[in-house]
Amino acid sequence: QQPVQSPQAVILREGEDAVINCSSSKALYSVHWYRQKHGEAPVFLMILLKGGEQMRHEKISASFNEKKQQSSLYLTASQLSYSGTYFCGTERDSNYQLIWGAGTKLIIKP
Amino acid sequence: DTGVSQNPRHKITKRGQNVTFRCDPISEHNRLYWYRQTLGQGPEFLTYFQNEAQLEKSRLLSDRFSAERPKGSFSTLEIQRTEQGDSAMYLCASSSRHGHEQYFGPGTRLTVT
Repeated sequence: QQPVQSPQAVILREGEDAVINCSSSKALYSVHWYRQKHGEAPVFLMILLKGGEQMRHEKISASFNEKKQQSSLYLTASQLSYSGTYFCGTERDSNYQLIWGAGTKLIIKP
Repeated sequence: DTGVSQNPRHKITKRGQNVTFRCDPISEHNRLYWYRQTLGQGPEFLTYFQNEAQLEKSRLLSDRFSAERPKGSFSTLEIQRTEQGDSAMYLCASSSRHGHEQYFGPGTRLTVT
């Protein structure tokens, strides 16, 4: 079952913060986060494993709440380069197959 | 290591024709995935290989779609008797035996007229 991402779209000024959520009705083994720019392939950002720690890559971090089966992606002091569509991919049972959300479009304005 | 490559990048075909796409994964990545993506949607899983074995195939995939990975390296995806609904971006990704993260190729954009 497809995970639900929220919000569908976000418009920010450069330097503002954003949170993107990804929720599943099924128990998950991992949650993956990717960013896709228009006309390009998705690019891996980070992976959250069941029982794992909160992850961070520069000013982007993510958490995974196993009780709620929800992951959140935090973008701090957003930069113009953060613009794009963010997808979460959820994995059940460590089976290497990802079910993807519909995406959250992030627009950063100068 | 130049990443995942896909060929062709664009394909325009007439309805009813067969098309074949190729994916070269990152060297030594043992897992290879095919996805389909339409505008405004996330990637849709099609099939998955571990080495040369095709382990999963989406139930949504009709019999017109077939994929191979004969030597556990590159893979091909064939669509027979194409339909206009097959128009989409076809993405290939690979991952190593040491992790779950997937690395995507640039995709093949298929247009069926």
